[in-house]
Order: sequence, then C-alpha cells, then structure tokens
Amino acid sequence: DQQVKQNSPSLSVQEGRISILNCDYTNSMFDYFLWYKKYPAEGPTFLISISSIKDKNEDGRFTVFLNKSAKHLSLHIVPSQPGDSAVYFCAASLQGGKLIFGQGTELSVKP
Amino acid sequence: DAGVIQSPRHEVTEMGQEVTLRCKPISGHNSLFWYRQTMMRGLELLIYFNNNVPIDDSGMPEDRFSAKMPNASFSTLKIQPSEPRDSAVYFCASRHLMGGWILNTEAFFGQGTRLTVV
Repeated sequence: DQQVKQNSPSLSVQEGRISILNCDYTNSMFDYFLWYKKYPAEGPTFLISISSIKDKNEDGRFTVFLNKSAKHLSLHIVPSQPGDSAVYFCAASLQGGKLIFGQGTELSVKP
Repeated sequence: DAGVIQSPRHEVTEMGQEVTLRCKPISGHNSLFWYRQTMMRGLELLIYFNNNVPIDDSGMPEDRFSAKMPNASFSTLKIQPSEPRDSAVYFCASRHLMGGWILNTEAFFGQGTRLTVV
C-alpha cells in the first residue's frame, strides 16, 4: 500500500526553465510534508518542507505547494540548473513520527 | 557532528549467510529509521524507533529481518538468512522529535549500505 506516490519516474528540463515535481498521498492524517534530494552513492538530503496548515513554502529557487483537498503536493524549481539533476523524493509524516517516502523522480536538467 | 554513520558501506555476502548492518544516529536525536531503497518502492520504511523503542515494524518484509536499538547511539538491522532478493541499498536516518511528538523536523540520512547477496 503506497501511501505516498510519485507517478513520474523521470523528468527532463532545459536549464533556466521551471521544473515541477509532483507527489500524491492517500492518508489525510499526514500533517507534515518534506522533499529530499539524492545524488548517486549518497544519502538523501533535506531540501524543503511544509506543514499541513500552510499551502505554500518558499526557499530561494525552491517552492513547495500543498493542495490538501486534492491530497497533492508539488515542488517547483525556478530557474533549473544542471546541478539540480538528482532523484527527488517526497515524504509525509504522521503523528507519532512515522515518515513515509515516495518512489522518487529522477530530474535531469540539460544545459 | 559527523552525521548519521552507517557501516559497512558495502557488503557482499553469499546466500544463506547472516548480514548485520550498523547505524550510529546523530547525538541527541531520539527517533531512528531504517529504509531500503528499491526501484519499485523507492525509499521503503522497514522499521522505526522512538526513544530506542520499536514503534512500527510493519515494513519489515519477513521474519528473516530483525532490528534492535540497545541504546540511543546504536542500532542494527540483521538479515538471517540472506537471499539474493535482499540486495539493495539500506539507509538509516535519525531525527529529533520534540516534546509532544511535534513533527516539524527533518530526518538526516546516513550514506547507506549497499548490500549484494550472491
């Protein structure tokens, strides 16, 4: 039972354009959402997060949007840079601390 | 702080052998997670601990898998006997949950252990 889903395994974007990564979830009890970035042979690193009481959080080039009614969140990267090429995971947290991840989306930013 | 430390980084073992993966969380963190990375499921949660107590082990695939956290600075994930389908990268992560289990904190990951069972 995949409670957090990233339906796009890969995404290719031109440098300077916007990258939009999507994530859907099924459990309405999730109250905190996070995005992680992962390079090959490294552990995932935290990128940005959002509480369920908000609908947007911005940090530099990265913005996360949350649509609770649709159980959907997205990560926008503007402008995209070649160094952003990595696998991006969305995650959701439950009361009690359980932290569940999606399958990941591999982003490729081409020069 | 050195971050979350996992050992070994790579492990190659024969089918049927016992494998033990080790994790040292960040000092002061009171929550620890074990994940397995696969193509189909992404980062699959195996088990997590709060204050050294296992809270949810529903992700542990079979009885061949077991995990312990004898103290706040050490955890192990054991596979006995190992099988080729256990080959994957295993990650440990830790986070600090504040009083009342307020959840607005991120988890920090180790570098992972790449396990190959032949």
